[in-house]
Amino acid sequence: KAGVTQTPRYLIKTRGQQVTLSCSPISGHRSVSWYQQTPGQGLQFLFEYFSETQRNKGNFPGRFSGRQFSNSRSEMNVSTLELGDSALYLCASSLQGPSYEQYFGPGTRLTVT
Amino acid sequence: TQLLEQSPQFLSIQEGENLTVYCNSSSVFSSLQWYRQEPGEGPVLLVTVVTGGEVKKLKRLTFQFGDARKDSSLHITAAQPGDTGLYLCAGDLVESNYQLIWGAGTKLIIKP
Repeated sequence: KAGVTQTPRYLIKTRGQQVTLSCSPISGHRSVSWYQQTPGQGLQFLFEYFSETQRNKGNFPGRFSGRQFSNSRSEMNVSTLELGDSALYLCASSLQGPSYEQYFGPGTRLTVT
Repeated sequence: TQLLEQSPQFLSIQEGENLTVYCNSSSVFSSLQWYRQEPGEGPVLLVTVVTGGEVKKLKRLTFQFGDARKDSSLHITAAQPGDTGLYLCAGDLVESNYQLIWGAGTKLIIKP
């Protein structure tokens, strides 16, 4: 079974730009969660989608948004990038939700200059 | 304030030694997961503990869930360089809503 894939793996953007990250979950998994990981803050929950519906959202500004498609693939978008948005963005898929076994992708390393 | 406190934050030991990593909270969790993350990769689930007092073994790794389901520990026997990584615990609060609470992690380095 193919694992969780994330594209792109690396990205360099400048302040003020916007970015879209993509996540393809394991086949059959309907839940996708997004996380931001930084050395100072650790793993921070962004949002979780299940069957195209956002079920929960973390404490991030409205510049961070996401969506899920009917095939369970998910995207997250960050608008008006700030230097502090530099981080590893991880997505995780599971059958029913984060409480169940989660499988993480390798992440997208975003650098904002 | 971290809801889940992991300790120590950093540990560097020699191959063959034993170690214990702790994950503590004042909150009750319905379950707790342990992950290991290697550089440049996403976390990989090691184990999920569900019942208070539960002990699970994964080769040289022993995981325990506290009786009150507020804390957990990971014990590694005869550590090997391949155990090097960031160990993360994540808890599912009893009243959670599709969200795990994450610890900040323990960075473990095993020197050959």
